[in-house]
Amino acid sequence: AQSVTQPDIHITVSEGASLELRCNYSYGATPYLFWYVQSPGQGLQLLLKYFSGDTLVQGIKGFEAEFKRSQSSFNLRKPSVHWSDAAEYFCAVGSSGGGADGLTFGKGTHLIIQP
Amino acid sequence: SAVISQKPSRDICQRGTSLTIQCQVDSQVTMMFWYRQQPGQSLTLIATANQGSEATYESGFVIDKFPISRPNLTFSTLTVSNMSPEDSSIYLCSVEVVESRVQYFGPGTRLTVT
Repeated sequence: AQSVTQPDIHITVSEGASLELRCNYSYGATPYLFWYVQSPGQGLQLLLKYFSGDTLVQGIKGFEAEFKRSQSSFNLRKPSVHWSDAAEYFCAVGSSGGGADGLTFGKGTHLIIQP
Repeated sequence: SAVISQKPSRDICQRGTSLTIQCQVDSQVTMMFWYRQQPGQSLTLIATANQGSEATYESGFVIDKFPISRPNLTFSTLTVSNMSPEDSSIYLCSVEVVESRVQYFGPGTRLTVT
């Protein structure tokens, strides 16, 4: 069965500092990987996805993530965070097989931005 | 992408009653999904709803408790039956856009059971 681990429940970063959120996955084949962001009272917004090809993927809002097969990781990064980045971040894995499947989510990382 | 709306956005219900949540998408989609997000928790898949067939439920979720309808390619409902306080959660609908294999989520329905 597939699974996702986000080891950091909370992360506090100063505004303007760099950010890295960790995500490790377990999946038998090459997974489809996603990062979503959930702001207070909001639904989930897709930040970026990885299916195949270039292992460094660019997303919206200045975020990027790198797929490392050897480490089963898909960490999210941003070079300089803004106060508006404060939110809950979820890493998710989906099946790369045929047919649509639901996603398996990590427990999320709560990002706090210090002024 | 896909634009998804859900009704109601929130509700407070008495234990033992049922609530039906509606999910409407702005384009035709094959697969729709229902997730539950318990307070302070991550999202858990409840079921997958394919138009014209019975929904497929994940382990721990049963049709009698969470009946789902999928009458056409743009609409689905999830009913939370015989509610208890443990059912207090946010329920989210999502759809997969086949071309991109990306799931888009609705704004969620925040349910409180008293």
